[in-house]
Order: sequence, then C-alpha cells, then structure tokens
Amino acid sequence: EDKVVQSPLSLVVHEGDTVTLNCSYEVTNFRSLLWYKQEKKAPTFLFMLTSSGIEKKSGRLSSILDKKELFSILNITATQTGDSAIYLCAVEASGTYKYIFGTGTRLKVLA
Amino acid sequence: NAGVTQTPKFRVLKTGQSMTLLCAQDMNHEYMYWYRQDPGMGLRLIHYSVGEGTTAKGEVPDGYNVSRLKKQNFLLGLESAAPSQTSVYFCASSDPRGSGANVLTFGAGSRLTVL
Repeated sequence: EDKVVQSPLSLVVHEGDTVTLNCSYEVTNFRSLLWYKQEKKAPTFLFMLTSSGIEKKSGRLSSILDKKELFSILNITATQTGDSAIYLCAVEASGTYKYIFGTGTRLKVLA
Repeated sequence: NAGVTQTPKFRVLKTGQSMTLLCAQDMNHEYMYWYRQDPGMGLRLIHYSVGEGTTAKGEVPDGYNVSRLKKQNFLLGLESAAPSQTSVYFCASSDPRGSGANVLTFGAGSRLTVL
C-alpha cells in the first residue's frame, strides 16, 4: 500500500533557527513529490520535485529529493513567526492521477 | 481569477440529513479532487475525477457520492450524514497538460459538523 510519512509531527523553534522537515515515501512508480504550506485555510504550493539531487529554492525555503532512499527534506533557514504553519508532503504515483498526503508537520516559530 | 471556490464554507447537520458541497474552478482544469482533513490524519482522498462525466474512488469513499456533470464543477454529496463525517473538506483541481506538472490548487475548505 502506498504511504507517505512525515517527521517530526510537530516542532517548536525560535525565530532565526533553521529547521529541517522530513518526508519519506513508499509509492509504486513514483512520479512527483509536492510540498505545501497550510496556515489557516487552503494549502498553498511550495515546491514540486521530480528528479533526484536537484535542489529547489525559494527565498529561505529549499527542498531536495532522494529517489534512491525514497525521501525528501524541506529546509527553512532564519525562521520567522510567519513560517508557523502545517507543512504537507504529497506523492504522486505515475498513472494514478492522484496524490497521497502525509499527516503533515506542525511548525510553530516563537518570537 | 477566483481559482477554486467551495460552498458552503460552514454547515451544521443532524445525523441522517443529506447535503451537497459544491466545488467550482475557473482554470479549465481537467482533474478535480475532494479531500477531507482530520486532526492528525493529514489529507485523505475521498473521490476524484479526471474529466467531465468521470469519477473514481479515493482512499475513503464510503458514505459519499460525487458527480462531475460540467467540467468546472465537482459536487460532493452526503446522503445520510454521520458524526464520523465531521471534518474539513477541501476541493482541489489540477491539469498536467502542457507543462506536465500535476500541481494541486486548493479551495478554502468547507467545515462540516454532524451532530
């Protein structure tokens, strides 16, 4: 059965800290992996990863995929209170048209 | 450009009542999805559609029905609501044509409480 596991489940840090969020997966015929940020409402798209070893970067956020070891990480440097959110990872299996989501990591950044 | 719009945003039902959640997208996307989100459970796929007139079951389809009569609309129905269906429901759409990237765009969510 396809599954996606995120760790840690929750995390509390102080402003300025660097955090690493983990997403491991077991999916038949992996196609792509997505990261989303969810504050109070709809998840908003951060990154899509399809190739191993290529880092995607946007400001203080970056993500990389390891298709051999079946995981991805999301790094946030110099965290701010506005980074407080649930971070979701989702994986698509080729030909299935659908994404399987992990349970998410709840990040709280204290001022 | 509204994106993905869900109605209603909030609803309280009594056990056994029926209701329909409406999802509308104005991006001409082929694929549409209904997810539910419960504490500690992440997003779980209920039903999805890969085109007008087509639907398929996801991970947790029991107790729900869907219809996609028009490309831009995806309806989620609860025929006889149960307290276990208390949840936040998210609709999403995507279209991998062109770029090949099947990125989901989500609606704002509909909070349903079944008493």
